[in-house]
Amino acid sequence: LAKTTQPISMDSYEGQEVNITCSHNNIATNDYITWYQQFPSQGPRFIIQGYKTKVTNEVASLFIPADRKSSTLSLPRVSLSDTAVYYCLVGDYTGGFKTIFGAGTRLFVKA
Amino acid sequence: DVKVTQSSRYLVKRTGEKVFLECVQDMDHENMFWYRQDPGLGLRLIYFSYDVKMKEKGDIPEGYSVSREKKERFSLILESASTNQTSMYLCASSLYGQGTGELFFGEGSRLTVL
Repeated sequence: LAKTTQPISMDSYEGQEVNITCSHNNIATNDYITWYQQFPSQGPRFIIQGYKTKVTNEVASLFIPADRKSSTLSLPRVSLSDTAVYYCLVGDYTGGFKTIFGAGTRLFVKA
Repeated sequence: DVKVTQSSRYLVKRTGEKVFLECVQDMDHENMFWYRQDPGLGLRLIYFSYDVKMKEKGDIPEGYSVSREKKERFSLILESASTNQTSMYLCASSLYGQGTGELFFGEGSRLTVL
């Protein structure tokens, strides 16, 4: 099972770049890395997914080093509305459905 | 816009009652999932289904069962609710498996068992 470890919480200020790192030391060859965002009283929402190197979309970037044992979600110029819990998930196409989201990282963005 | 709809946002039940949580998706996804979310524990997978009438146990299936009679509908059943099943329950669907592609979540059902 690919277990992930993230910081419990982080603080930031509006306009700053935020980097959240996830450790997944036993990631398997076929595993992808996916990040979700969750606001209170809502279900998680997909942010970004990658396999290796760097992936960028309109809301975030995902950096994955060559050994893939960790990954970093980068949120550029955060705003108050980015205050949420961020989850890192590792899994593969063939199933591995018994992965665990973990407790996530609670990001507080201050004015 | 894609949508996963959970039948009840808030439920209060008594110990020993049978509880049904319904989930419907309109995206024609093969895969559907039930999670529970508890403070400090993140999301834990209860059951998932990759096709009609097919189901697989997740990490914490004890005390739960599921039903998938139609592709768009996935039900979570608590045969005899207990207080330790008080939690937020989240349903999700995806075109691919849990570990790849995008999971679409419902708004959640907060169950309190007294």
